[in-house]
Amino acid sequence: NAGVTQTPKFRVLKTGQSMTLLCAQDMNHEYMYWYRQDPGMGLRLIHYSVGEGTTAKGEVPDGYNVSRLKKQNFLLGLESAAPSQTSVYFCASSYSLPAGGQETQYFGPGTRLLVL
Amino acid sequence: QQPVQSPQAVILREGEDAVINCSSSKALYSVHWYRQKHGEAPVFLMILLKGGEQKGHEKISASFNEKKQQSSLYLTASQLSYSGTYFCGTAFLTGKLIFGQGTTLQVKP
Repeated sequence: NAGVTQTPKFRVLKTGQSMTLLCAQDMNHEYMYWYRQDPGMGLRLIHYSVGEGTTAKGEVPDGYNVSRLKKQNFLLGLESAAPSQTSVYFCASSYSLPAGGQETQYFGPGTRLLVL
Repeated sequence: QQPVQSPQAVILREGEDAVINCSSSKALYSVHWYRQKHGEAPVFLMILLKGGEQKGHEKISASFNEKKQQSSLYLTASQLSYSGTYFCGTAFLTGKLIFGQGTTLQVKP
């Protein structure tokens, strides 16, 4: 069991370039999440998915798009990268609804993105 | 919707106690606590359901006051391994889990 994996681990982009971050989980989890982490801001939810083929906006969705074509994968896209998107991006997954109180989120190792 | 954590940072000596608070302006269904070591991913500590439940993990325990929409994390007899950033997360029926800004805990020998 690899758990939650993220690709790539580190990337440098120039302003205006595009890229896709890949999150994969092998735990058959329904729910998947993308967060960004910036100093002093905590973990902020970008987008999330409650099942294959579904996506929903989180707290800071602007400038990002996501897709969940397969249950095990959740892709985060930056169409035109900006320096403000320099951050550490974490993917997470859970088997069922976190509000139910029975499920925890499992986090990937993170992707460090630097936009110049 | 982001819950508010206090204090923002705490410095302790080994063996001392600390309390981290998490408050939300929205109705809480459950509160999740995570710890993150520097350069690593957050790791789950515990979940609390509404109803004033209290849970424990090693010498770390937490409570949930539904009326106050607040949860508190209690670290007793702190150890060096407790150092890190602690996050509370508030869960919603939509599936979202929203985290606070974090509390940095440093335990010194």
